[in-house]
Amino acid sequence: ILNVEQSPQSLHVQEGDSTNFTCSFPSSNFYALHWYRWETAKSPEALFVMTLNGDEKKKGRISATLNTKEGYSYLYIKGSQPEDSATYLCARNSNSGYALNFGKGTSLLVTP
Amino acid sequence: EPEVTQTPSHQVTQMGQEVILRCVPISNHLYFYWYRQILGQKVEFLVSFYNNEISEKSEIFDDQFSVERPDGSNFTLKIRSTKLEDSAMYFCASSVRPPDTEAFFGQGTRLTVV
Repeated sequence: ILNVEQSPQSLHVQEGDSTNFTCSFPSSNFYALHWYRWETAKSPEALFVMTLNGDEKKKGRISATLNTKEGYSYLYIKGSQPEDSATYLCARNSNSGYALNFGKGTSLLVTP
Repeated sequence: EPEVTQTPSHQVTQMGQEVILRCVPISNHLYFYWYRQILGQKVEFLVSFYNNEISEKSEIFDDQFSVERPDGSNFTLKIRSTKLEDSAMYFCASSVRPPDTEAFFGQGTRLTVV
């Protein structure tokens, strides 16, 4: 099992703050890095799938970067809103490529 | 928007009983998965399924687990003789092509073994 680590474990910010989380992973046999947003009682929702070193992706106020050589990805949220409160999961492909190995997630709480 | 649906949302079963968790993946997806999350732990991969056979399975997926696609739409996970430690949220997912396309997850089935 590949060890995917996420930090911080939890984060509490005020509305309007910008924030970022880290995902680190083994860089050998790398194909893809996934970010998911998971709200309580809902299904995890895919935010980004990144494959190339240096990839940067953006969706509204959320963006992500990827460094496959050193094995890390950052997720940024600009101007956090209460509706951004969720657990953010990152996952890397297994060595075979079929499975995803998840980190433990970063739990974000945004208060007004 | 197409979605993965899972039933039931919550199942309580006695230790030693068999349970079947059901999923309807997105219709044009070819790859199907089961994951689980024990409370407080990481989401863990159980099994992937493609072209009517298992393409990968984890160490967790031992002989008490099996998967099936009995018809063109359903994808099931069977646990033959449940143990207390099988209590978890079980997620079904599907994708077009791993690992570089997103996996779509269902809302999960919370399995409680008593």
